[in-house]
Amino acid sequence: NAGVTQTPKFQVLKTGQSMTLQCAQDMNHEYMSWYRQDPGMGLRLIHYSVGAGITDQGEVPNGYNVSRSTTEDFPLRLLSAAPSQTSVYFCASSYQGAVNEQFFGPGTRLTVL
Amino acid sequence: AQKVTQAQTEISVVEKEDVTLDCVYETRDTTYYLFWYKQPPSGELVFLIRRNSFDEQNEISGRYSWNFQKSTSSFNFTITASQVVDSAVYFCALTPTTGGGNKLTFGTGTQLKVEL
Repeated sequence: NAGVTQTPKFQVLKTGQSMTLQCAQDMNHEYMSWYRQDPGMGLRLIHYSVGAGITDQGEVPNGYNVSRSTTEDFPLRLLSAAPSQTSVYFCASSYQGAVNEQFFGPGTRLTVL
Repeated sequence: AQKVTQAQTEISVVEKEDVTLDCVYETRDTTYYLFWYKQPPSGELVFLIRRNSFDEQNEISGRYSWNFQKSTSSFNFTITASQVVDSAVYFCALTPTTGGGNKLTFGTGTQLKVEL
């Protein structure tokens, strides 16, 4: 199993550009989520999905869109990048239920100039 | 609303010293899970432990031990005989048992530096 994979590993954007961060998992997990990590702020939940076709907002959803057309994939879209979105983005997946450990991807480091 | 506080921003110890990382949480949920994750310099997040709010037994795993005290809303993590490889950022996190998903609320992390 590859686990949770994220692409790209690094990305530099200019303000106003759009892009999609890719996340895929091969563990048949129902639950997937996106977090951003900023210095001194820990990880904060952006969006999450409890299954294909179902998504919901987390703590910091503004400026990001998500969709979940398959169990395996959960892309995160930045429609118009802003410098405030410079961060490290982590995708995670798990079986449904708080008891289950979330498996995190390796992260994508995004810089918006 | 949930909140996790890790008041220690950075801790430096000499190898073989014991070190305790503090975690205090706030939640209105009656049942919840607490987690600790390790983030080494390479950047990935490594799961360390999960604790159910009903289970207040302390846990030991090798050099690691965890002290969960519901009365003080704390879930502290102790590393015994620290090693250089323990140098990392450690995150405490919380999620309610109900609500349809594992929505983790993280603390801001504690940077642990273990020196020779």
